[in-house]
Amino acid sequence: AQSVAQPEDQVNVAEGNPLTVKCTYSVSGNPYLFWYVQYPNRGLQFLLKYITGDNLVKGSYGFEAEFNKSQTSFHLKKPSALVSDSALYFCAVRDTRNFNKFYFGSGTKLNVKP
Amino acid sequence: EAEVAQSPRYKITEKSQAVAFWCDPISGHATLYWYRQILGQGPELLVQFQDESVVDDSQLPKDRFSAERLKGVDSTLKIQPAELGDSAMYLCASSVKQGAAEAFFGQGTRLTVV
Repeated sequence: AQSVAQPEDQVNVAEGNPLTVKCTYSVSGNPYLFWYVQYPNRGLQFLLKYITGDNLVKGSYGFEAEFNKSQTSFHLKKPSALVSDSALYFCAVRDTRNFNKFYFGSGTKLNVKP
Repeated sequence: EAEVAQSPRYKITEKSQAVAFWCDPISGHATLYWYRQILGQGPELLVQFQDESVVDDSQLPKDRFSAERLKGVDSTLKIQPAELGDSAMYLCASSVKQGAAEAFFGQGTRLTVV
């Protein structure tokens, strides 16, 4: 079965420090991987995606993610965190063999402290 | 910028009552998804449409939930009768058909069953 796992329920980081939010995936074919951010009482906003090519993908708001096939990981990163980055982050994988379903992780709450 | 529209934003209903949610996807998006998100968890797919056809409703509690997308554009999700455990955020999303495309989410409907 296709799935993603986010091993950390919460990540705490000081403003200005680098941040990493972890995600690992399990798919039977080529993975299409996504990161979304959710602010309180809002829908999910798309940040970035990996399809193929360069393992480092850049997205919105200065975020980037690194695809690692050998470790089946797709960690979200940002060189310098902002307080406004505090939100809930979801990793997702698209199953292109099964009606293009999206599978979401359980989410990681990012807290950036001033 | 095109958006997925959902209404209402918030709904409070008594248990055993009927409730309905509406979604208008981004124009031209053939795929429409309804997700349920319980507080603190990731979105879980309830039903997926390709144009007007249901392609996956395996996780939809069909004894009380129904969904339709009659003309392949907007969609309605209904719950009858509502139960206390149905309290959650209901998210609608849409995407183009191609497998690498991201899904775009609406702001969601926060349902509280009392």
